[in-house]
Amino acid sequence: AQKVTQAQTEISVVEKEDVTLDCVYETRDTTYYLFWYKQPPSGELVFLIRRNSFDEQNEISGRYSWNFQKSTSSFNFTITASQVVDSAVYFCALRRSGGSNYKLTFGKGTLLTVNP
Amino acid sequence: DTEVTQTPKHLVMGMTNKKSLKCEQHMGHRAMYWYKQKAKKPPELMFVYSYEKLSINESVPSRFSPECPNSSLLNLHLHALQPEDSALYLCASSQDLKLSGANVLTFGAGSRLTVL
Repeated sequence: AQKVTQAQTEISVVEKEDVTLDCVYETRDTTYYLFWYKQPPSGELVFLIRRNSFDEQNEISGRYSWNFQKSTSSFNFTITASQVVDSAVYFCALRRSGGSNYKLTFGKGTLLTVNP
Repeated sequence: DTEVTQTPKHLVMGMTNKKSLKCEQHMGHRAMYWYKQKAKKPPELMFVYSYEKLSINESVPSRFSPECPNSSLLNLHLHALQPEDSALYLCASSQDLKLSGANVLTFGAGSRLTVL
């Protein structure tokens, strides 16, 4: 069985602060994919990043960075110099690489509020 | 603009009504999905279509009836719903179910349904 845990239900920061959203996953598969999605108040889930289980390189995209550590089954997401527009619910998700891989297992989400 | 378009954005219906939610994508994706999302919860998979055929039904009650008229369109027909069916209904698409779990799901903005 697969499981994704986002222990932080809500985080509130002041603009320009750095913030890290935690994601811990469980899977028996050796190959899998991890995702982060952002859901602003408008409702649409916006894809942010995909990482496969063989690629442990950290990734940076502008103010966003991701730290994948297979040894601790974590895929954490950091926003540097947060902005009000970053306010949203962020979901971490896991998907099998082969077999019946149609299903995304989502974490419960972290609501990030960035205050001006 | 989102590449997956859902209409209507908001729908209010009585328990005896029949209504439909519509989803359209023009990315050439051959897998399409319906998700249901309750407030402060992650999306839950309902149905998956692959090449216009229903591949997955996650034990959804028959009052929800999906339809895929062609590769670009996905409908969700609603009949005799209950107030607990009130939720955000998200449509998503991905390139191909047969590919690996690397498939990225592109989501629409959702249809917010209220059942009175």
